[in-house]
Amino acid sequence: AQTVTQSQPEMSVQEAETVTLSCTYDTSESDYYLFWYKQPPSRQMILVIRQEAYKQQNATENRFSVNFQKAAKSFSLKISDSQLGDAAMYFCAYRGNQGGKLIFGQGTELSVKP
Amino acid sequence: EAGVTQFPSHSVIEKGQTVTLRCDPISGHDNLYWYRRVMGKEIKFLLHFVKESKQDESGMPNNRFLAERTGGTYSTLKVQPAELEDSGVYFCASSPQGFLAGGPANEQFFGPGTRLTVL
Repeated sequence: AQTVTQSQPEMSVQEAETVTLSCTYDTSESDYYLFWYKQPPSRQMILVIRQEAYKQQNATENRFSVNFQKAAKSFSLKISDSQLGDAAMYFCAYRGNQGGKLIFGQGTELSVKP
Repeated sequence: EAGVTQFPSHSVIEKGQTVTLRCDPISGHDNLYWYRRVMGKEIKFLLHFVKESKQDESGMPNNRFLAERTGGTYSTLKVQPAELEDSGVYFCASSPQGFLAGGPANEQFFGPGTRLTVL
């Protein structure tokens, strides 16, 4: 069975600086998708960034980028130029190629200090 | 375009009572998912509808949980009778058709969740 692990329950970053959130996963599948979702306090969870496993190039979305290491089964999220609005719970998630369900990590709560 | 909505936002019930949660997906989305986050742990999958059919219900914890999606629109998740360990946040998500394919259809859009407290 696939598993996703986020080993950092809490992280803190100074405004305008860079922070990296870690995520590792375990799977025997070769084709799959990885996601980072963000849930701000009292708000809905939204997709931050997505990576297809067959793509070698790391995904980027403005200030958000990933470091996808398929062999190491690692999928970290880098947030550059952190802003106060980045404060949220971040979830790493895995989706296999044959089904729709997402498998989530435990979440990392990110705080941004002004 | 309206997002995924869930009702109620909070529910507090006594052990042994029944509660029904409702999810309205984004209009036109064939796929509807239920997830649950218990006691600050990871979010766990419960089940997946494609239109009105249950595609995958492997995450349903036991037969006290009953999910329906009549007509392929909104869905309900009934817990009967509720137990203390059912407390948590129940999320609903929806996505367009083609969940087996790659591309934009993979994104799941989440509702705000229903916080269930069983006393």
